[in-house]
Amino acid sequence: DIQLTQSPSTLSASVGDRVTLTCRASQSISNWLAWYQQKPGKAPKLLIYKASNLENGVPSRFSGSGSGTEFTLTISSLQPDDFATYYCQEYDSYSSFGQGTKLEIK
Amino acid sequence: EVQLVQSGPEVKKPGESLKISCKGSGYSFTHYWVAWVRQMPGKGLEWMGIIYPDDSDTRYSPSFQGHVTMSADMSITTAYLQWSSLKASDTAMYFCARPSSGHSASYDLWGQGTLVTVSS
Repeated sequence: DIQLTQSPSTLSASVGDRVTLTCRASQSISNWLAWYQQKPGKAPKLLIYKASNLENGVPSRFSGSGSGTEFTLTISSLQPDDFATYYCQEYDSYSSFGQGTKLEIK
Repeated sequence: EVQLVQSGPEVKKPGESLKISCKGSGYSFTHYWVAWVRQMPGKGLEWMGIIYPDDSDTRYSPSFQGHVTMSADMSITTAYLQWSSLKASDTAMYFCARPSSGHSASYDLWGQGTLVTVSS
Protein backbone atom coordinates (compact mmCIF):
# COMPACT_ATOMS: atom_id res chain seq x y z
CA ASP A 1 0.00 0.00 0.00
CA ILE A 2 1.13 3.54 -0.72
CA GLN A 3 1.44 5.76 2.36
CA LEU A 4 1.14 9.53 2.18
CA THR A 5 2.70 11.71 4.88
CA GLN A 6 1.69 15.34 5.10
CA SER A 7 3.63 18.05 6.90
CA PRO A 8 3.18 19.97 8.97
CA SER A 9 0.16 18.56 10.80
CA THR A 10 -0.86 22.08 11.80
CA LEU A 11 0.24 25.38 10.33
CA SER A 12 -0.50 28.77 11.88
CA ALA A 13 -0.47 31.68 9.44
CA SER A 14 -1.92 35.13 8.84
CA VAL A 15 -4.04 36.61 6.07
CA GLY A 16 -1.74 37.57 3.22
CA ASP A 17 0.96 35.00 4.05
CA ARG A 18 2.41 32.65 1.49
CA VAL A 19 2.24 29.06 2.75
CA THR A 20 3.49 25.73 1.47
CA LEU A 21 2.13 22.33 2.48
CA THR A 22 4.04 19.13 1.76
CA CYS A 23 2.94 15.60 0.90
CA ARG A 24 5.43 12.72 0.64
CA ALA A 25 4.59 9.32 -0.86
CA SER A 26 6.18 6.06 0.32
CA GLN A 27 6.93 5.14 -3.30
CA SER A 28 6.83 6.91 -6.63
CA ILE A 29 3.34 7.84 -7.81
CA SER A 30 4.43 9.83 -10.88
CA ASN A 31 2.08 12.82 -10.85
CA TRP A 32 -1.05 10.97 -9.74
CA LEU A 33 -1.75 13.29 -6.83
CA ALA A 34 -4.65 15.55 -5.89
CA TRP A 35 -5.18 18.17 -3.20
CA TYR A 36 -8.46 18.84 -1.39
CA GLN A 37 -9.73 21.49 0.99
CA GLN A 38 -12.17 20.49 3.71
CA LYS A 39 -14.11 22.68 6.11
CA PRO A 40 -15.85 21.32 9.23
CA GLY A 41 -19.00 19.36 8.47
CA LYS A 42 -18.51 19.64 4.72
CA ALA A 43 -17.36 17.34 1.95
CA PRO A 44 -13.83 17.80 0.62
CA LYS A 45 -13.40 20.10 -2.37
CA LEU A 46 -10.98 19.28 -5.18
CA LEU A 47 -8.34 22.00 -5.67
CA ILE A 48 -5.53 20.42 -7.70
CA TYR A 49 -5.36 17.25 -9.79
CA LYS A 50 -2.47 15.49 -11.48
CA ALA A 51 -0.11 17.29 -9.10
CA SER A 52 -0.24 20.72 -10.72
CA ASN A 53 -3.54 21.20 -12.56
CA LEU A 54 -5.95 23.72 -11.09
CA GLU A 55 -9.55 22.50 -10.91
CA ASN A 56 -12.10 24.73 -12.65
CA GLY A 57 -13.30 27.55 -10.43
CA VAL A 58 -10.44 27.31 -7.91
CA PRO A 59 -8.65 30.63 -7.30
CA SER A 60 -5.26 31.03 -8.95
CA ARG A 61 -3.57 31.69 -5.59
CA PHE A 62 -3.57 27.89 -5.20
CA SER A 63 -0.84 25.98 -7.02
CA GLY A 64 0.61 22.50 -6.87
CA SER A 65 3.93 21.03 -7.86
CA GLY A 66 6.03 17.89 -7.59
CA SER A 67 6.35 14.42 -9.01
CA GLY A 68 7.55 11.03 -7.89
CA THR A 69 7.42 11.13 -4.09
CA GLU A 70 7.52 14.83 -3.14
CA PHE A 71 4.63 17.22 -3.67
CA THR A 72 3.67 20.68 -2.49
CA LEU A 73 0.56 22.82 -2.35
CA THR A 74 1.23 26.55 -2.20
CA ILE A 75 -1.23 29.30 -1.37
CA SER A 76 0.34 32.53 -2.55
CA SER A 77 -1.61 34.98 -0.39
CA LEU A 78 -3.86 33.54 2.29
CA GLN A 79 -7.45 34.72 2.35
CA PRO A 80 -9.85 34.32 5.31
CA ASP A 81 -11.75 31.60 3.43
CA ASP A 82 -8.59 29.47 3.11
CA PHE A 83 -8.37 28.46 6.77
CA ALA A 84 -9.35 24.81 6.60
CA THR A 85 -7.84 21.33 6.53
CA TYR A 86 -6.00 20.19 3.41
CA TYR A 87 -5.57 16.59 2.26
CA CYS A 88 -3.46 15.04 -0.46
CA GLN A 89 -4.68 11.94 -2.27
CA GLU A 90 -2.76 9.50 -4.43
CA TYR A 91 -4.45 7.59 -7.22
CA ASP A 92 -1.54 5.68 -8.67
CA SER A 93 -3.08 2.39 -7.55
CA TYR A 94 -6.63 2.75 -6.35
CA SER A 95 -6.35 5.49 -3.75
CA SER A 96 -5.27 6.66 -0.32
CA PHE A 97 -5.21 9.96 1.54
CA GLY A 98 -2.68 11.76 3.67
CA GLN A 99 -3.53 12.49 7.28
CA GLY A 100 -4.18 16.18 6.60
CA THR A 101 -2.72 19.60 7.41
CA LYS A 102 -4.87 21.97 9.44
CA LEU A 103 -4.28 25.58 8.43
CA GLU A 104 -5.25 27.86 11.27
CA ILE A 105 -5.25 31.58 11.88
CA LYS A 106 -2.21 32.87 13.77
CA GLU B 1 -27.26 19.64 -12.05
CA VAL B 2 -24.52 17.07 -11.64
CA GLN B 3 -24.68 15.82 -8.06
CA LEU B 4 -24.42 12.97 -5.59
CA VAL B 5 -27.08 13.01 -2.87
CA GLN B 6 -26.64 10.77 0.14
CA SER B 7 -29.21 9.39 2.55
CA GLY B 8 -29.80 11.01 5.92
CA PRO B 9 -28.15 10.51 9.30
CA GLU B 10 -28.53 7.19 11.06
CA VAL B 11 -28.47 6.18 14.73
CA LYS B 12 -28.05 2.47 15.31
CA LYS B 13 -27.17 0.03 18.07
CA PRO B 14 -24.18 -2.31 17.98
CA GLY B 15 -24.98 -5.49 16.11
CA GLU B 16 -27.64 -3.90 13.91
CA SER B 17 -27.45 -3.83 10.14
CA LEU B 18 -27.42 -0.70 7.98
CA LYS B 19 -27.46 0.30 4.33
CA ILE B 20 -26.77 3.90 3.29
CA SER B 21 -27.20 5.27 -0.20
CA CYS B 22 -25.68 7.68 -2.69
CA LYS B 23 -27.81 8.76 -5.66
CA GLY B 24 -26.17 10.21 -8.73
CA SER B 25 -27.89 12.55 -11.15
CA GLY B 26 -27.05 14.84 -14.04
CA TYR B 27 -24.45 12.51 -15.55
CA SER B 28 -24.11 8.99 -16.93
CA PHE B 29 -24.08 7.15 -13.60
CA THR B 30 -23.28 3.72 -15.02
CA HIS B 31 -20.06 4.93 -16.68
CA TYR B 32 -18.36 6.40 -13.62
CA TRP B 33 -16.96 4.59 -10.62
CA VAL B 34 -18.25 5.52 -7.15
CA ALA B 35 -15.88 5.55 -4.18
CA TRP B 36 -16.64 5.53 -0.46
CA VAL B 37 -14.58 7.49 2.06
CA ARG B 38 -14.80 7.30 5.86
CA GLN B 39 -14.07 10.13 8.24
CA MET B 40 -14.15 9.24 11.92
CA PRO B 41 -14.88 12.06 14.39
CA GLY B 42 -12.04 14.57 14.38
CA LYS B 43 -9.94 12.40 12.06
CA GLY B 44 -8.79 12.33 8.46
CA LEU B 45 -10.14 10.80 5.28
CA GLU B 46 -9.86 7.04 4.72
CA TRP B 47 -10.41 5.40 1.37
CA MET B 48 -12.75 2.42 1.80
CA GLY B 49 -13.23 1.12 -1.71
CA ILE B 50 -14.80 1.69 -5.08
CA ILE B 51 -17.52 0.21 -7.30
CA TYR B 52 -18.32 0.41 -11.01
CA PRO B 53 -22.13 0.50 -11.27
CA ASP B 54 -22.24 -0.89 -14.80
CA ASP B 55 -20.96 -4.34 -13.81
CA SER B 56 -20.58 -4.03 -10.01
CA ASP B 57 -16.83 -4.54 -10.24
CA THR B 58 -15.68 -3.68 -6.74
CA ARG B 59 -12.34 -3.11 -5.03
CA TYR B 60 -12.00 -2.79 -1.26
CA SER B 61 -9.23 -1.34 0.82
CA PRO B 62 -7.66 -4.19 2.88
CA SER B 63 -8.68 -2.22 5.98
CA PHE B 64 -12.36 -2.53 5.10
CA GLN B 65 -12.52 -5.83 3.19
CA GLY B 66 -15.00 -8.13 4.91
CA HIS B 67 -16.43 -5.36 7.11
CA VAL B 68 -18.60 -3.58 4.57
CA THR B 69 -20.31 -4.39 1.28
CA MET B 70 -20.63 -2.03 -1.65
CA SER B 71 -23.35 -2.42 -4.25
CA ALA B 72 -25.16 -0.41 -6.89
CA ASP B 73 -28.53 -0.33 -8.64
CA MET B 74 -28.17 1.15 -12.11
CA SER B 75 -31.94 1.40 -12.60
CA ILE B 76 -32.16 4.06 -9.90
CA THR B 77 -28.60 5.41 -10.29
CA THR B 78 -27.78 4.65 -6.68
CA ALA B 79 -24.76 3.19 -4.93
CA TYR B 80 -24.94 1.61 -1.49
CA LEU B 81 -22.68 0.91 1.45
CA GLN B 82 -23.87 -1.64 3.96
CA TRP B 83 -22.94 -3.31 7.21
CA SER B 84 -24.36 -6.58 8.53
CA SER B 85 -23.33 -6.01 12.15
CA LEU B 86 -22.36 -2.52 13.23
CA LYS B 87 -19.77 -1.73 15.88
CA ALA B 88 -19.30 1.43 17.90
CA SER B 89 -16.09 2.00 15.93
CA ASP B 90 -18.19 2.39 12.75
CA THR B 91 -19.35 5.77 14.06
CA ALA B 92 -18.24 8.19 11.38
CA MET B 93 -19.20 10.40 8.48
CA TYR B 94 -19.29 8.48 5.20
CA PHE B 95 -18.85 10.23 1.87
CA CYS B 96 -19.42 8.91 -1.62
CA ALA B 97 -17.36 10.47 -4.39
CA ARG B 98 -16.93 10.20 -8.14
CA PRO B 99 -13.53 9.87 -9.82
CA SER B 100 -13.33 12.17 -12.84
CA SER B 101 -12.41 9.25 -15.14
CA GLY B 102 -11.73 5.58 -14.54
CA HIS B 103 -11.12 4.23 -11.06
CA SER B 104 -7.78 5.93 -10.51
CA ALA B 105 -8.46 9.65 -10.74
CA SER B 106 -9.11 12.65 -8.56
CA TYR B 107 -12.61 12.95 -7.09
CA ASP B 108 -14.35 15.90 -8.68
CA LEU B 109 -17.82 15.24 -7.28
CA TRP B 110 -18.74 14.43 -3.68
CA GLY B 111 -21.91 13.64 -1.79
CA GLN B 112 -22.78 15.72 1.26
CA GLY B 113 -21.95 12.87 3.63
CA THR B 114 -24.01 10.53 5.82
CA LEU B 115 -23.37 10.59 9.56
CA VAL B 116 -23.63 7.16 11.13
CA THR B 117 -23.75 6.93 14.92
CA VAL B 118 -23.52 3.52 16.59
CA SER B 119 -24.25 3.55 20.29
CA SER B 120 -25.93 1.34 22.82
